[in-house]
Amino acid sequence: GDSVTQMEGPVTLSEEAFLTINCTYTATGYPSLFWYVQYPGEGLQLLLKATKADDKGSNKGFEATYRKETTSFHLEKGSVQVSDSAVYFCALKYIQGAQKLVFGQGTRLTINP
Amino acid sequence: GAVVSQHPSRVICKSGTSVKIECRSLDFQATTMFWYRQFPKQSLMLMATSNEGSKATYEQGVEKDKFLINHASLTLSTLTVTSAHPEDSSFYICSAPTSGGAADTQYFGPGTRLTVL
Repeated sequence: GDSVTQMEGPVTLSEEAFLTINCTYTATGYPSLFWYVQYPGEGLQLLLKATKADDKGSNKGFEATYRKETTSFHLEKGSVQVSDSAVYFCALKYIQGAQKLVFGQGTRLTINP
Repeated sequence: GAVVSQHPSRVICKSGTSVKIECRSLDFQATTMFWYRQFPKQSLMLMATSNEGSKATYEQGVEKDKFLINHASLTLSTLTVTSAHPEDSSFYICSAPTSGGAADTQYFGPGTRLTVL
């Protein structure tokens, strides 16, 4: 079945460090890919998305490129801030049919000042 | 962007009682809504798909008689945890997609934390 695998956390970085959170997926077709963020005490928010191969999603300094050849959608940010501390979820969804999201296990990110 | 609300945000109940959680799409209509359960430090587990005007579709292993779902209108879905037990304590989250197509997006409610004593 379809699945999403994220790098295990927690991840702890210093402010202004470079961030990469790895995400790979297994899918039978061509899904859309998403990164969601969950700040402490809040619900999930869409961070960015990409709907086809080679698309790059970006938002708030975060980027992720849909790599079909490596079935990956790694999240990157060049300089993290304390306010980026949150749990990040990678997810996939098919455009056609049921609109169910399949989530990775989440990666907890802590940024220290 | 689109807004999805949940009520209540927190609920504490005694074992054996039933609890109803509401999920509303505030500025768009949703023929489909999704209910998830999130365990501490774990990912979201899809429980069921709520369909307006028809029965909900439950994921494998989810007891439909325990987790009753009613999609009463195009903006409201409810999840009722019947005869709740401590193992039902969890964070319940709903989501609703906007219009279909390649760029559709799901919006999530803020979640409801259920504690069963």
